[in-house]
Amino acid sequence: GENVEQHPSTLSVQEGDSAVIKCTYSDSASNYFPWYKQELGKRPQLIIDIRSNVGEKKDQRIAVTLNKTAKHFSLHITETQPEDSAVYFCAALDTGRRALTFGSGTRLQVQP
Amino acid sequence: DTGVSQDPRHKITKRGQNVTFRCDPISEHNRLYWYRQTLGQGPEFLTYFQNEAQLEKSRLLSDRFSAERPKGSFSTLEIQRTEQGDSAMYLCASSSSIPTGELFFGEGSRLTVL
Repeated sequence: GENVEQHPSTLSVQEGDSAVIKCTYSDSASNYFPWYKQELGKRPQLIIDIRSNVGEKKDQRIAVTLNKTAKHFSLHITETQPEDSAVYFCAALDTGRRALTFGSGTRLQVQP
Repeated sequence: DTGVSQDPRHKITKRGQNVTFRCDPISEHNRLYWYRQTLGQGPEFLTYFQNEAQLEKSRLLSDRFSAERPKGSFSTLEIQRTEQGDSAMYLCASSSSIPTGELFFGEGSRLTVL
């Protein structure tokens, strides 16, 4: 099955700085990579996703890059704001299970 | 609210008791997933339904766990003879038939086994 590794586990940045979270996956057949944001006590919510036929996708301050050869993908948040503080999870579609396998999460804290 | 709903939101039980959680997915979604999340970890896949058919089960889903989705609508997750290690947040999610569609999560059912 798919295995997703995520790092760092915690990340603290100053407001306005950029934040980068990295993930690696094991199944070379995986073709879908979403990122979810989970605020304290809330449900995970999709913030951006990328499919294996593209290398980069951007949505305002958030971007995701994918390197299929190296089997890693990254989330980039620019001009961070205090409301970006949350736990972020990467995931990869396990093509065997047809279900998402999640990373262990990154707790991002944006200091005002 | 037309999102995914779960009930109960919190359940405290004694070890050895049975518990059942219910999930009502978004009505037009035919895929339904159960995940388990413990503190500081990402959601772990438990099982998946397409319509009423249970297509995948994780090895995490021991024989004390059973899930159903009668008529392809709501789903239930039952845990028999609960153990302290079952304490976790049980998340339900649904999606459309497209395999790479967005997962919409419910708020979760938090289980505490004393």
